[in-house]
Amino acid sequence: AQSVTQLGSHVSVSEGALVLLRCNYSSSVPPYLFWYVQYPNQGLQLLLKYTSAATLVKGINGFEAEFKKSETSFHLTKPSAHMSDAAEYFCAVSEWSEGAQKLVFGQGTRLTINP
Amino acid sequence: EPEVTQTPSHQVTQMGQEVILRCVPISNHLYFYWYRQILGQKVEFLVSFYNNEISEKSEIFDDQFSVERPDGSNFTLKIRSTKLEDSAMYFCASSPSGLAINEQFFGPGTRLTVL
Repeated sequence: AQSVTQLGSHVSVSEGALVLLRCNYSSSVPPYLFWYVQYPNQGLQLLLKYTSAATLVKGINGFEAEFKKSETSFHLTKPSAHMSDAAEYFCAVSEWSEGAQKLVFGQGTRLTINP
Repeated sequence: EPEVTQTPSHQVTQMGQEVILRCVPISNHLYFYWYRQILGQKVEFLVSFYNNEISEKSEIFDDQFSVERPDGSNFTLKIRSTKLEDSAMYFCASSPSGLAINEQFFGPGTRLTVL
C-alpha cells in the first residue's frame, strides 16, 4: 500500500518569505502525486499534480513542486508568501485498485502567514 | 465552473440515529467517492462508486454505511446508526474516469457531529 508523510502539521512564515511544505511518499510503483489546498469553509482544491511528464510541476497561485525519486519527496514551494496563502495543504498519492482510483492523503500542513 | 456541492454543511445528530449526507457531483463525471476527516487526523478514503456499484471500500466502511445514486444526479452516504466516533468532516468527490492519473474534484464537506 502507498502512503504519504507530511513533515510539520503547522508551518508559519512571514509575508514575502519562502514557503516550503514537505511531503514524502512510499510507493512500489511510479506514483501519481497531488497537492490540494483547503481554504476555510471550502472543499479541497487541486494546486498541482505530478504525472511523470516533468519533475518540476507548476501549479496555481505561484506554487510549484519538485518530484525527487531518489529522496521519495514531492515538496511544495512558493518563493514569496502572500496573506491569501493561509490554508491547509494536503499531499496525496493516487492508488488504482479494484477498477477505481483512490487518494491516500498525508495528515495535512496548516500554513500561517505572519504580516 | 462546475463544482461538487454537498448538503448540509453541518449536521448534528444523536447517537443511534440515521443520517444521510448528500452530494451533487459534477454532471459529466462517472466516478464518485466519499472521504472523511476526523478532527486532527488524515483525510481517509471510505468508498468509490461507479456504474451504480461500489468499486472499492475501506475497512472503515462497514455494514452501517451505504451509498446510493438515487436519481442520476445525487450521490448519498447513509450511516444507519451513528456512533460518537462517526463525528468527522465528510467529503464527496467525483472524477471523469477512474484512472490513477486523474484529479478528483471535492465538495466543501459536511461536518457531522454525533452527540
